[in-house]
Amino acid sequence: QVQLQQWGAGLLKPSETLSLTCAVYGGSFSGYYWSWIRQPPGKGLEWIGEINHSGSTNYNPSLKSRVTISVDTSKNQFSLKLSSVTAADTAVYYCARAPTKLGAHYYYMDVWGKGTTVTVSS
Amino acid sequence: SSELTQDPAVSVALGQTVRITCQGDSLRSYYASWYQQKPGQAPVLVIYGKNNRPSGIPDRFSGSSSGNTASLTITGAQAEDEADYYCNSRDSSGNHPFGGGTKLTVL
Repeated sequence: QVQLQQWGAGLLKPSETLSLTCAVYGGSFSGYYWSWIRQPPGKGLEWIGEINHSGSTNYNPSLKSRVTISVDTSKNQFSLKLSSVTAADTAVYYCARAPTKLGAHYYYMDVWGKGTTVTVSS
Repeated sequence: SSELTQDPAVSVALGQTVRITCQGDSLRSYYASWYQQKPGQAPVLVIYGKNNRPSGIPDRFSGSSSGNTASLTITGAQAEDEADYYCNSRDSSGNHPFGGGTKLTVL
């Protein structure tokens, strides 16, 4: 049973850099894309970006200038950095696994972390 | 455009059938996936691909697609199905937008 365990700083000041890490336990790290998603209080889900075991990334165009997702295959972990945070970045941040298949006309995230609440406040 | 549009709220009587829809240009090329989210919990995948259910998802959940619209149907809605439902897909640029979500109320 694959599990994702995530952690990181929960309280940031404006202009600081958000940093979260997600560890993958009980399953293969290769053959998947590893995603970050966030949810502001009372609002919907927003896809942030993803990375595979080779380090290939895709980012949400609206966040691309501030986002870096990296991978550490030796630890089966991937990380999110979001720079220059503001109050609008206050949200629950989730990590998730997305199975990949070349040429597939579908995309889905089948395993999710429990979420980390990040608050940006001065 | 990679935007996905959902109705904000839908209601259904207990035991009846409800359809939740998701519209977007990317759905003409890619199937949607559907997620159920209950308060204070992480989303759970309920439908993916043409009409696939992960292990443990009841068979009252089904998916379909036509043109630019994807649908999640719950046949015989139960009280425990009351939740927010989100669609998600991909576009040709590698972006994976979510719909705005639909709040399902079971009456």
